[in-house]
Amino acid sequence: DGGITQSPKYLFRKEGQNVTLSCEQNLNHDAMYWYRQDPGQGLRLIYYSQIVNDFQKGDIAEGYSVSREKKESFPLTVTSAQKNPTAFYLCASSRSPTGAPTDTQYFGPGTRLTVL
Amino acid sequence: AQSVTQLDSQVPVFEEAPVELRCNYSSSVSVYLFWYVQYPNQGLQLLLKYLSGSTLVESINGFEAEFNKSQTSFHLRKPSVHISDTAEYFCAVSVGNDYKLSFGAGTTVTVRA
Repeated sequence: DGGITQSPKYLFRKEGQNVTLSCEQNLNHDAMYWYRQDPGQGLRLIYYSQIVNDFQKGDIAEGYSVSREKKESFPLTVTSAQKNPTAFYLCASSRSPTGAPTDTQYFGPGTRLTVL
Repeated sequence: AQSVTQLDSQVPVFEEAPVELRCNYSSSVSVYLFWYVQYPNQGLQLLLKYLSGSTLVESINGFEAEFNKSQTSFHLRKPSVHISDTAEYFCAVSVGNDYKLSFGAGTTVTVRA
């Protein structure tokens, strides 16, 4: 089955620690995205990547980092610089390398990160 | 940045009753409009989208939405809801050649028997 997988489903972190969230897709999509979801705020774009070895900051990139070494993988690192990291994180992908606005974005099941 | 407003944060509704979820956006240029649904502790699934052509779009599970350019709205409706429609619904917009989606804050629909 084609789709997007995110792991782990739940993640707990102590303050001051970096953590990496995994996102893998086997849809052969070129574009991938990371969103953060907070209650009552909808989804906000953290980073996006249109093609391997290239990525751009979204609206709330501070305190986060990404890499795109392989087409199917787009891991997100939440660094200790992120002041309020507790949230639900969603990864998505879409077909076109140019991210055509008509392309549907497909979402993974999400990772819930809690900072203790 | 594109602004998307979902006018209701919570919509309680009885089973088999109709429901309407309101969505307004701020752009005056060409837009592409989407409704996504999120079931508890899951990712988002595309419900329907408007790209061009007929202003009324339908999903396979009975939802429909109408693009109204003059009112900059894309309201979602279903004439008769089921318990299984309990979820959070997000309106999203992309503008022109910008493929980034702007999301509304979401509307939680709770269907009661």
